Amino acid sequence: AQSVTQPDIHITVSEGASLELRCNYSYGATPYLFWYVQSPGQGLQLLLKYFSGDTLVQGIKGFEAEFKRSQSSFNLRKPSVHWSDAAEYFCASQTGANNLFFGTGTRLTVIP
Amino acid sequence: GAGVSQTPSNKVTEKGKYVELRCDPISGHTALYWYRQSLGQGPEFLIYFQGTGAADDSGLPNDRFFAVRPEGSVSTLKIQRTERGDSAVYLCASSLNPMNTEAFFGQGTRLTVV
Repeated sequence: AQSVTQPDIHITVSEGASLELRCNYSYGATPYLFWYVQSPGQGLQLLLKYFSGDTLVQGIKGFEAEFKRSQSSFNLRKPSVHWSDAAEYFCASQTGANNLFFGTGTRLTVIP
Repeated sequence: GAGVSQTPSNKVTEKGKYVELRCDPISGHTALYWYRQSLGQGPEFLIYFQGTGAADDSGLPNDRFFAVRPEGSVSTLKIQRTERGDSAVYLCASSLNPMNTEAFFGQGTRLTVV
């Protein structure tokens, strides 16, 4: 069965510090992988996606993620966090034409 | 419209009542998804439409839940005999087609069953 694990429920970082949010997937084949961000009162917004090819993918708002098959991971990174990045982040996987499987999310708090 | 529109944004209903939640996808998007997001959880899949037909309804929790998309555009999620456990944010998403394209999400309908 397909599943996505985000081991960190809540992360706090200082503004300007680097960020890494962890995501592990479980599936026999390599699924499509996504990171979404959800701000209070806002819909889910796609940050980036991985389908195939280059394992380092660039997204919006300065985010990037690296697919590592050997570790079944797709961690999200940002070199310097801004206060506006405070939000809930969801990793998701998709196989073929099927629906998205979401992790439970990681809440990011940014302190001045 | 420019994005996925969901109405109402908030709905409070009494236990046992019937509710309908509406989703207006992005024009031209053939794939439409419903998800449910409980507090502190990620969205959970309910049902997926390709055109007018439900291609996958395996996520519907029981037969009190039903969804339609009669003309391949607007979709309505219907919940009968609501229970307090149905309280959640119901999210709708659409994509141009189900393969290799981004799913755009609406802001959701927050359903509260009292």
